[in-house]
Amino acid sequence: DVKVTQSSRYLVKRTGEKVFLECVQDMDHENMFWYRQDPGLGLRLIYFSYDVKMKEKGDIPEGYSVSREKKERFSLILESASTNQTSMYLCASSPMDSYGYTFGSGTRLTVV
Amino acid sequence: AQTVTQSQPEMSVQEAETVTLSCTYDTSENNYYLFWYKQPPSRQMILVIRQEAYKQQNATENRFSVNFQKAAKSFSLKISDSQLGDTAMYFCAFVPYNDMRFGAGTRLTVKP
Repeated sequence: DVKVTQSSRYLVKRTGEKVFLECVQDMDHENMFWYRQDPGLGLRLIYFSYDVKMKEKGDIPEGYSVSREKKERFSLILESASTNQTSMYLCASSPMDSYGYTFGSGTRLTVV
Repeated sequence: AQTVTQSQPEMSVQEAETVTLSCTYDTSENNYYLFWYKQPPSRQMILVIRQEAYKQQNATENRFSVNFQKAAKSFSLKISDSQLGDTAMYFCAFVPYNDMRFGAGTRLTVKP
């Protein structure tokens, strides 16, 4: 069964901490994406990557960075967590030139 | 800007009845893909149905069908014979280039 795995289902961090959200896919997909989900706003794209060591900004990249050192792993980094980054974070992957996205089950992050 | 609008934040339907969820989008592209995703309380995003913009025929998947009006940029989802398991958030999404854009979602409740 193909999978996108997000390392934590729930996470609580303190303001100012550096936070790493990890995403791993086992489908050899080229494309990987990080979304943020908030009530009334749907899913908003933070960053995406088409290949190892490549990254592109989405609609709301401020306060976030990403790392893709290996094809199967795409990390979202909150350099200095703030309370307005409390949200649900969803990772997804897809093959090159395909629109079949596979999603992880999300990480609910609370920043206190 | 590439945007997706779902004008119904919440809807309810009686079990076994039919319900239609609305979605409009804005793009200057001629070729793109449209999707409906379901997100149950488990948080896992599940693909319900997809439509290629160059196809005039409306997509159908069992009890789920779409009404795709390209000129009007409208993409509604019809759920027939609603079941309790259809209770979920439903997101309309489209891919104008390579990244997927989502609407704010419609929370559907199926009542017994």
